Amino acid sequence: DQQVKQNSPSLSVQEGRISILNCDYTNSMFDYFLWYKKYPAEGPTFLISISSIKDKNEDGRFTVFLNKSAKHLSLHIVPSQPGDSAVYFCAARHSGAGSYQLTFGKGTKLSVIP
Amino acid sequence: GAGVSQSPSNKVTEKGKDVELRCDPISGHTALYWYRQSLGQGLEFLIYFQGNSAPDKSGLPSDRFSAERTGGSVSTLTIQRTQQEDSAVYLCASSPDSNNQPQHFGDGTRLSIL
Repeated sequence: DQQVKQNSPSLSVQEGRISILNCDYTNSMFDYFLWYKKYPAEGPTFLISISSIKDKNEDGRFTVFLNKSAKHLSLHIVPSQPGDSAVYFCAARHSGAGSYQLTFGKGTKLSVIP
Repeated sequence: GAGVSQSPSNKVTEKGKDVELRCDPISGHTALYWYRQSLGQGLEFLIYFQGNSAPDKSGLPSDRFSAERTGGSVSTLTIQRTQQEDSAVYLCASSPDSNNQPQHFGDGTRLSIL
């Protein structure tokens, strides 16, 4: 049973436009959420995170929004650039026992078209 | 380098052979994690080390899988009597401690079982 779901396997966006990547989760014990970016043949690279006590965190072109009542988070990239083309993974950590473990979604492949 | 280092980057072996994968975490990071990514899937947690201890081995898929960490640094993941379903990318990550995210990943070992 997937606790972190990324329902869009792929997304194509024009350069300069906004990219919105979505993630849903089922475990209400999750208290910390992360987005990772992965290029082929490389490991995931940490991008941005958000604690469950916040509903928004911004870092440059990247903003993560958290809607706890809907158990939904999204990553916004504005403006999108061709170098943003990669697979984006949403991950979550829960409080309490096992809090060291990250639970990942299956990823969304973003293609930014020049 | 300053990042997580994994070796080998690629490993092809015959079914039934044993393999050993190595991870050298970021210097000073006490927490170390192993994940596995099978084709089209998200990252699957395998095992976590705090120092040389592995408090949680529950993610290891079978008793053919084992891991150790010595000197609070390098870790090895060993798969005995490999099977074709073991084919995956094995990723190692480290963090300053288990409460201190994010986890920083290496580039992984791509394991192919013939």
